[in-house]
Amino acid sequence: SQQGEEDPQALSIQEGENATMNCSYKTSINNLQWYRQNSGRGLVHLILIRSNEREKHSGRLRVTLDTSKKSSSLLITASRAADTASYFCATEQNTGNQFYFGTGTSLTVIP
Amino acid sequence: DVKVTQSSRYLVKRTGEKVFLECVQDMDHENMFWYRQDPGLGLRLIYFSYDVKMKEKGDIPEGYSVSREKKERFSLILESASTNQTSMYLCASSHPPFEQYFGPGTRLTVT
Repeated sequence: SQQGEEDPQALSIQEGENATMNCSYKTSINNLQWYRQNSGRGLVHLILIRSNEREKHSGRLRVTLDTSKKSSSLLITASRAADTASYFCATEQNTGNQFYFGTGTSLTVIP
Repeated sequence: DVKVTQSSRYLVKRTGEKVFLECVQDMDHENMFWYRQDPGLGLRLIYFSYDVKMKEKGDIPEGYSVSREKKERFSLILESASTNQTSMYLCASSHPPFEQYFGPGTRLTVT
């Protein structure tokens, strides 16, 4: 399978703490994206990082990409209860417009 | 704002029925996608389309077909529903090479 894998599968933290999620993938990519999904809803795009970028910020989100290790991490700083959701990474392969999603990290932020 | 709508949030069908899931996007996106999402398996691509009347198989096309007669509409068809097609179905659209926009999902139960 060309799917990415997120790690950990589940994460529980206290409000105000930072949350870090990791994503590993298998083949060369054009870009890597992170999405968020609230329970029972569709996915919402958070951030895109291109294969020639190493780090990107958006508000409380920080994404890194290490193409040599085929891995990415998503850091959410100063977490809030509203950040409770599942987070997915998705890779766009060099071969086309297809996206490959990981299995997700379920984040619970305890107030 | 980009809007992707799906015809039903919840659907219950009987084994052997023909099922149509409709997806409409309002941003003139070229690409449209159908995924199914199951616990522990993440999102798996069923079919995608990069133009009207064009379609490509994803990772799990068996038991499904699609139709894209107009740019804004992408339909997923279960020719003869089976219980193992009980799942959450997510539609998405994108203007390459940018992010995907997802609909709210259809939770299909086949009894």
